[in-house]
Amino acid sequence: DSGVTQTPKHLITATGQRVTLRCSPRSGDLSVYWYQQSLDQGLQFLIQYYNGEERAKGNILERFSAQQFPDLHSELNLSSLELGDSALYFCASSVGQRNTGELFFGEGSRLTVL
Amino acid sequence: GESVGLHLPTLSVQEGDNSIINCAYSNSASDYFIWYKQESGKGPQFIIDIRSNMDKRQGQRVTVLLNKTVKHLSLQIAATQPGDSAVYFCAENIMNGGSQGNLIFGKGTKLSVKP
Repeated sequence: DSGVTQTPKHLITATGQRVTLRCSPRSGDLSVYWYQQSLDQGLQFLIQYYNGEERAKGNILERFSAQQFPDLHSELNLSSLELGDSALYFCASSVGQRNTGELFFGEGSRLTVL
Repeated sequence: GESVGLHLPTLSVQEGDNSIINCAYSNSASDYFIWYKQESGKGPQFIIDIRSNMDKRQGQRVTVLLNKTVKHLSLQIAATQPGDSAVYFCAENIMNGGSQGNLIFGKGTKLSVKP
């Protein structure tokens, strides 16, 4: 158990809809990262927050947004969903915002868009 | 596109044998490398990391080798066990690049251990 909690574990929705994925980082971790994992693209970094502030941005679509709340949990909002958004979405956390060291990953939220 | 890739999508080994998983990277500026293991239905789990000022690092039953000349990274697993069956990802980053979000993952190699 990594200590990172993600909900929901599975989500099925239709095209055009909006969903929110939630992540609670490990106790004491200030950084939260969101990754998308699909069969053809592998693990793709989406966005990072550190202590409530956006820290780094990766291949995140404009239809997607995220935030980190004062209690350090984070939400990833996916809107106007398309079939191609079907993927596993992982949240990871780390103590700080340094460039090395271990990221602790949750078990992911599997999104299926029909 | 991806600057980190794995040569083979699958690797099958006999229990007790040693496993070697290879990875090529193309960004010569990368100076930090990590191996992650992902078991079915779970998130990636850190195995071992290595900085570019080293060419070898050992952990418990695992060894990572780094050859900067040919931009090659390998993970060696000694006495492979059924519990080692998973997908293994290498990843690269630049330590002064700003964030671990810059970590670029390869597409993964699936290791299957035969009893």
